[in-house]
Amino acid sequence: DIQLTQSPSFLSASVGDRVTITCRASQGISSYLAWYQQKPGTAPRLLIYAASTLQSGVPSRFSGSGSGTEFTLTISSLQPEDFATYCCQHLNSYPLTFGGGTKVEIK
Amino acid sequence: QVQLQESGPGLVKPSETLSLTCTVSGGSVSTYYWSWFRQPPGKGLEWIGYIYDSGITNYNPSLRSRVTMSVDTSKNQISLRLSSVTAADTAFYYCARRDNNGYYCYWGRGTLVTVSS
Repeated sequence: DIQLTQSPSFLSASVGDRVTITCRASQGISSYLAWYQQKPGTAPRLLIYAASTLQSGVPSRFSGSGSGTEFTLTISSLQPEDFATYCCQHLNSYPLTFGGGTKVEIK
Repeated sequence: QVQLQESGPGLVKPSETLSLTCTVSGGSVSTYYWSWFRQPPGKGLEWIGYIYDSGITNYNPSLRSRVTMSVDTSKNQISLRLSSVTAADTAFYYCARRDNNGYYCYWGRGTLVTVSS
């Protein structure tokens, strides 16, 4: 199985901050990576797919980059509604796996 | 607008079979990949498996011996059965549809299943 390692696992930031989350794959996955946002009690929300493509309806302050084994999710200016947990998922092969998540909290 | 709604017992006894249904509205269950995922409270997400085209399945090897998925096109539903459950199977269970771009854009709200006697 492909392991996805996210860092950091916890992040404290202020409104307006630029935030970067990293996801590293245990082997190359080309660009078959998605980023999700999840708030307590709700389903994951797809933000980014194919490593860098913004899902329809997602604000442009979210962006993704990377390929192969290293990927990043960037929030250019953190908004109050962005405080949530973010996780990556690969779709390179089966079984699909997820990163452990990054919880973004208010400083 | 595609909507997915999971349903089933919220409490299952150890060694019994967990059975969940995902009802799809706003679209057909045919010709799409449908996956089940789960998330133990406070932990990360795990892919359980998918079903495609009413019968083609692919299950996570870690659960393969206990999982069965099926599609009922007459009711526009996808079903999940997980046998011989233990406390480790306590989780929020989600169904999701893979979009034409290959990614899971549509998710149900999830349902919590607790395994306890």
